[in-house]
Amino acid sequence: DIQMTQSPSFLSASVGDRVTINCKASQNINKYLNWYQQKLGEAPKRLIYNTNNLQTGIPSRFSGSGSGTDYTLTISSLQPEDFATYFCLQHNSFRTFGGGTKLELK
Amino acid sequence: QVQLKESGPGLVQPSQTLSLTCTVSGFSLTSYHVSWVRQPPGKGLEWMGVIWTGGSTAYNSLLKSRLSISRDISKSQVFLKMNSLQTEDTATYYCAREDYWGQGVMVTVSS
Repeated sequence: DIQMTQSPSFLSASVGDRVTINCKASQNINKYLNWYQQKLGEAPKRLIYNTNNLQTGIPSRFSGSGSGTDYTLTISSLQPEDFATYFCLQHNSFRTFGGGTKLELK
Repeated sequence: QVQLKESGPGLVQPSQTLSLTCTVSGFSLTSYHVSWVRQPPGKGLEWMGVIWTGGSTAYNSLLKSRLSISRDISKSQVFLKMNSLQTEDTATYYCAREDYWGQGVMVTVSS
């Protein structure tokens, strides 16, 4: 099974900051990597699919990059509504989630 | 529009079998695969398994021996059955199309 290591687990930042969240796969996942945002008490919402494709309706401050085993979610300028937990998901071979990153207000 | 909705018992006794239903609308199960994902309270997401458009299934290797996913195309429903439940199976269970998710159903395993 493919393992996904997500970092950091916790991130403190301020409105307007640029932040990056990383996921590392245990093997090449051929860019089959999605990013999700989850707010407390809600279902996850897909932000990015297949590494760098922005889901319809998601603000352009969210972007994704990567290849092979290493992938990154970038939020260019944090807004108050962005403080949430973020997960990556590989779907190259079955599916595996990363452990999550809780983004908190500094 | 696309919707998924989970239903099932909120409480299951240890060693018993969990049965959940995911009712979908706005798309066909022959065009999109559907996964089950769970989330223990305060923890991360765990992919459980998937039913592909052709009806075949794939499971998380850690759950494979206890888990079964099936569907009824005519009713637009996907089913999850997992046996030998333990307290660590307490979680919110979601069905998901990956771009759309259900609201989730909380299942507590307790006597």
